[in-house]
Amino acid sequence: QVNLVESGGNVVQPGESLTLSCLTSGFTLKNYFIHWVRQAPGKGLEWVAVVSHDGKETHYAASVQGRFSVSRDNSKNTLYLQMDRLTTDDTAFYYCARPFFDTLTGFQYYFDHWGRGTLVTVSS
Amino acid sequence: DIVMTQSPDSLAVSLGERATINCRSNQSVFFRSNNKDCLAWYQQKAGQPPKLVLVWASSREAGIPDRFSGSGSGTDFTLTITSLQAEDVAVYYCLQYFTLPYTFGQGTKLEIK
Repeated sequence: QVNLVESGGNVVQPGESLTLSCLTSGFTLKNYFIHWVRQAPGKGLEWVAVVSHDGKETHYAASVQGRFSVSRDNSKNTLYLQMDRLTTDDTAFYYCARPFFDTLTGFQYYFDHWGRGTLVTVSS
Repeated sequence: DIVMTQSPDSLAVSLGERATINCRSNQSVFFRSNNKDCLAWYQQKAGQPPKLVLVWASSREAGIPDRFSGSGSGTDFTLTITSLQAEDVAVYYCLQYFTLPYTFGQGTKLEIK
């Protein structure tokens, strides 16, 4: 079955960097864009970033633009979220999410599978 | 960016009664290529990732009970749960997937009265 497992969450200090991983299985990763979504403890969901199926196209939320970078290694079935210059506002659970892929049109839409998330805490 | 606004922020409904959650976008999320609205609803229970409930504003995902239904088009959408069950207690989010950045509503906390 489809599975996404995030890892790499940790406690870091403001200004530090951290890289999260998302290991996937149960589907052909190279066909899918993959998104990152975060959720501060007790707060709502915030879309963070997306990387295209081949890694050549990326998009970011304004709140992380210039500090976060998404990449992927399809041969390892793994996605990465590199987070630099972290602030306390980046404290959150980080989820990777797979979109539904319409094979007839090639479009990808809503998130139909999510990982369980990994917690990043930025604190001095 | 498209702003999604849900109402109410919280809701308490008696078991067996109807719950209604609204979601409004500040611009249309209608996708002309398939004549559908790019609006999904998610259910999130404590300590769990979001679970997909409805897509294209009104289509239930596999395994979702038929007491869950969605309506609306363009900019105004509604999630309705008829005959509320205890297991429906959760936070519900709408999501627009019409354009990047994808945006969520702020969430509606549904509780039992």
